[in-house]
Amino acid sequence: QQPVQSPQAVILREGEDAVINCSSSKALYSVHWYRQKHGEAPVFLMILLKGGEQKGHDKISASFNEKKQQSSLYLTASQLSYSGTYFCGTEPNTGNQFYFGTGTSLTVIP
Amino acid sequence: GAVVSQHPSWVICKSGTSVKIECRSLDFQATTMFWYRQFPKQSLMLMATSNEGSKATYEQGVEKDKFLINHASLTLSTLTVTSAHPEDSSFYICSANPGVPEAFFGQGTRLTVV
Repeated sequence: QQPVQSPQAVILREGEDAVINCSSSKALYSVHWYRQKHGEAPVFLMILLKGGEQKGHDKISASFNEKKQQSSLYLTASQLSYSGTYFCGTEPNTGNQFYFGTGTSLTVIP
Repeated sequence: GAVVSQHPSWVICKSGTSVKIECRSLDFQATTMFWYRQFPKQSLMLMATSNEGSKATYEQGVEKDKFLINHASLTLSTLTVTSAHPEDSSFYICSANPGVPEAFFGQGTRLTVV
């Protein structure tokens, strides 16, 4: 049930871009993206609903391909504050469970 | 945004004792709450779905008798770790949905069993 994310970890210099992928084995109703700092609860970034939408705010955007059951998170011109572990969260078409992906550790260095 | 409060933030207990963790939705009613467990450097793993007024739905591999969940009201769900052992030490976190797609999380509870 757990979605698989790639890469597992990435190190960027400030200003560089990154893409984080999330792949599910189940048909999805929605994909959520969260960022978690060490020892804290996850913080919501955005949600994408089925219909193949793409959305974003500021320099973080995401896409959702429901046919492929995949979502990607795009971070452009990364800032030090972007460091953390990113999780996708998926809501299957059936049932009301919510599953987090395997996680991607992102470190932005000066 | 909606507020979910989790208590306590951390707890240290002796092996063999039980620990109760509370999850409250402060400004909305939640018929469903979710409980997750997170080990260091790992993802949040769904343990169970807590349903108000009925039995919780546990994920495969999660012991129902060890992790007791009670969702007695629309604003409170509790997770009791019974006969805790050191391997139960983890970060436990709850979430609830106020009717919008976004999930709101409690602050999490760091449990250490010694």
